[in-house]
Amino acid sequence: QVQLVQSGAEVKKPGASVKVSCKASGYTFTSYYMHWVRQAPGQGLEWMGIINPSGGSTSYAQKFQGRVTMTRDTSTSTVYMELSSLRSEDTAVYYCARSLTDNYMDVWGKGTTVTVSS
Amino acid sequence: DIQMTQSPSSVSASVGDRVTITCRASQGISSWLAWYQQKPGKAPKLLIYAASSLQSGVPSRFSGSGSGTDFTLTISSLQPEDFATYYCQQANSFPVTFGQGTRLEIK
Repeated sequence: QVQLVQSGAEVKKPGASVKVSCKASGYTFTSYYMHWVRQAPGQGLEWMGIINPSGGSTSYAQKFQGRVTMTRDTSTSTVYMELSSLRSEDTAVYYCARSLTDNYMDVWGKGTTVTVSS
Repeated sequence: DIQMTQSPSSVSASVGDRVTITCRASQGISSWLAWYQQKPGKAPKLLIYAASSLQSGVPSRFSGSGSGTDFTLTISSLQPEDFATYYCQQANSFPVTFGQGTRLEIK
């Protein structure tokens, strides 16, 4: 079955970086784009960016430009999202979600909780 | 960026009720709109895409309509499992943006 399995929860100190993984299975990895969406506690959904696993091209939300890097490893069907210079406001659940070129996210990972605290 | 505004922010309803949630885009997005349902502690679930197309496996009591800037999600007869938060999302252009959410509560 189609699934996205994300890495486990992380606790980081302010100023550190975090790298979250999302392993895809059950479909052709390079046929779907992958989005990253985050949700702060009690808040709504915030889109961070997208990666095309086929060629590796990316597009990031302006808010995260310079702090986020999305990469992929086609040999393991895994995408990664690295966020640097963490601050307390980055405490959130981070989701990966796939889509076709239409940007409708039909399969989601279960989320990875990232806590930033001194 | 395209701003998505949902109304109401929360609504109370009873099992069997008909509920409508509205989403307005700050500029025209044709039919490039999706609706998601999210339950506490869970990932969002795609319900409707292209404004009115029902995602596979989603009950037919869910329907979507609209184009341009104004969209609606309707649940024709609320079931207990429908109490959740609903988000609209524009897929017209980057950055993808979501509405702030509508919390559907049991009356």
